[in-house]
Amino acid sequence: DAMVIQNPRYQVTQFGKPVTLSCSQTLNHNVMYWYQQKSSQAPKLLFHYYDKDFNNEADTPDNFQSRRPNTSFCFLDIRSPGLGDAAMYLCATSRGGSSMYEQYFGPGTRLTVT
Amino acid sequence: SQQGEEDPQALSIQEGENATMNCSYKTSINNLQWYRQNSGRGLVHLILIRSNEREKHSGRLRVTLDTSKKSSSLLITASRAADTASYFCATASYNQGGKLIFGQGTELSVKP
Repeated sequence: DAMVIQNPRYQVTQFGKPVTLSCSQTLNHNVMYWYQQKSSQAPKLLFHYYDKDFNNEADTPDNFQSRRPNTSFCFLDIRSPGLGDAAMYLCATSRGGSSMYEQYFGPGTRLTVT
Repeated sequence: SQQGEEDPQALSIQEGENATMNCSYKTSINNLQWYRQNSGRGLVHLILIRSNEREKHSGRLRVTLDTSKKSSSLLITASRAADTASYFCATASYNQGGKLIFGQGTELSVKP
C-alpha cells in the first residue's frame, strides 16, 4: 500500500546531542512537510519542500534543518535539541499545494530529550 | 498563525449518539479540511470541502461550510467507540502559500 513511513517511531536523545528523523513516501507526491506537535496542541508547520524547493516557516528555529535528497525521502535534523523540542514530529505529503489537495501523514516520531 | 478555532474543545457522548464539532476561521479560504488523530498517531484525512461547496458526505460523516459566516461543522452520526479521537479542522488558501493552518482540535470521547 502506498504510504508515508517515519523512522524511528520513538527517539530518545540527550540535551544538545544532534538527532535526525527520517520520512519516506511511496505516494510519489511532490510536496513533503514537517510538523511539530506538542501535547494537546495543533500541528505546527516547520517547513516544506515543493519538489526540491525548500520553504522555511518564519518562526522555525535555526536549530531545525531539513534535507530532501530525492522525491521519496525527507529528513529533519535537530542540531542541538533542547528540552523544549520534545514533541511528536509528523511528516506529511501532498500531490500539490494544500490549496487544492489533502495531506497524507505518517505515524509520527515521538522525540524525548533527556 | 492560527486560523481555525474549534468548538467544543472536548466532547463526551454515548455510543449511538451524534457528535457535532464546529470550526471558525478568519480569512478567505480555498478549501477546508477535517482530520482525525488517534492518540499518539499521525493525522488521517477525512474530508476536503472547497469554498464553492456547501455540504459533503462521506459514510457517517457530514461536513458543512458557510463561507459567509466563516465556519464549518463536522457531524458524525451513530458514533462508535472507535470514533474516539481528536478532530482537527484545517484551512488552505493561496495567500497562505499553499499551507494548511490547523485549529486546536476537538477531543471526542465516545463511551460504549
